[in-house]
This record gives sequence, structure tokens and C-alpha cells, in this order.
Amino acid sequence: AQTVTQSQPEMSVQEAETVTLSCTYDTSESDYYLFWYKQPPSRQMILVIRQEAYKQQNATENRFSVNFQKAAKSFSLKISDSQLGDAAMYFCAYRSPNTGNQFYFGTGTSLTVIP
Amino acid sequence: DSGVTQTPKHLITATGQRVTLRCSPRSGDLSVYWYQQSLDQGLQFLIQYYNGEERAKGNILERFSAQQFPDLHSELNLSSLELGDSALYFCASSVAASGWYGELFFGEGSRLTVL
Repeated sequence: AQTVTQSQPEMSVQEAETVTLSCTYDTSESDYYLFWYKQPPSRQMILVIRQEAYKQQNATENRFSVNFQKAAKSFSLKISDSQLGDAAMYFCAYRSPNTGNQFYFGTGTSLTVIP
Repeated sequence: DSGVTQTPKHLITATGQRVTLRCSPRSGDLSVYWYQQSLDQGLQFLIQYYNGEERAKGNILERFSAQQFPDLHSELNLSSLELGDSALYFCASSVAASGWYGELFFGEGSRLTVL
């Protein structure tokens, strides 16, 4: 089974600064999809960004962007101009279309934004 | 609003009891996933259904069972409840059909407290 590793249990960033959250995964598949989900204190799971493995271009959604390194099996999330509302738990997820569309989640990184 | 509806939102019950959590997926989504999230923990995959059939099973206890009905809504049954079953239970849905590589859409969760 695929595994997803988030090695940073906690991170902090000054408001308006940039922070990068790390995610690595282990897979033998060539086609797959990667996601970052945000879970604020409300506990709602919100999709932040997604990346298709066959696309070389890194995905971007406003202040959120990813650095997808397929060979290194790395998928980091960069948050620019951090805002207080970015404070949340962030989960990296891997979707395997070849095993019944299973999703594999990392253990999460808790992001604190310092005013 | 993700389009995924979970009921009840909150549930308090006693040890040894049985509860049923209900999930209505987004319109058109064929696959339903159930996850358990204990306090300050990550997401634990329980089970996945696709168009009424069990597709994959994760760390689901024998005391727990689930099913997906012909109208695609799903129920998660938890019996002989223990204190450790207190958690937030998420339902998520996705089309999960061949050629569709989208994300999971999460409901707001059912918060279960076992006293």
C-alpha cells in the first residue's frame, strides 16, 4: 500500500510570511493524484489544491502552490502571504486510481500563524 | 457546502450502546468513504463503497459495519460502543468511476461522544 509521510507535526509562520509544508509518499505507480486538505478548528475538511502526477507544471491556487517532484516522490505546499485564517491542520493525500481509487492520508501538520 | 450531508452532527451515548450514522453523498457521486478521526489524530480509513458494493476495508472494527443503499446513501453502524470510539466520523464522496480522478468531498462529520 502507498504511504504518505508528513514529517513536520507542527509549523509556525509570521503573518504575511511564507511557509512550506513537506510531504513525501511511497508508490510504485506512475499515474496518481495528490492533494492538500486543510482542516481548520471547525474540523471541516477543505480541499486546498490538487496535482495530477502526469502534469509537470506545479499547481497553483491563489496564495497556495505546490512543489511536485515526481522522481523524489515529494509534494510540498507553499503558502505565501500567510493569513490568520490559514491556521489549521494540513493533510497531504494520495489517490490511487489503480487500487479502487483509494486515498491515503498523511498524519497532518498543524500550522500556527503568528500575528 | 461540499454537498455531502451527514446526520446527526452530534451524538452522545453510553458505553455498550449502538448508533447509526448516515451519509448522503453529493448528487452523482458513486463512491462513499468513511473515516474516523479521534481528538488531535489523523484520519483513519474505515471502509469504502462503490455503487452499493464494498470496495475496500481499512481499520474497521468488527463491532462496526456499514452499507450503501441503492439510492447511494450510506450508513455506518457502531455497536457495543466503548469510550475509545468517541471521535469525529467523516463521510466523503467521489465519483470514483473510471477516468475520473477528482478529489474527495467531505461532509461536516458526526461527532460521537461515548460516556
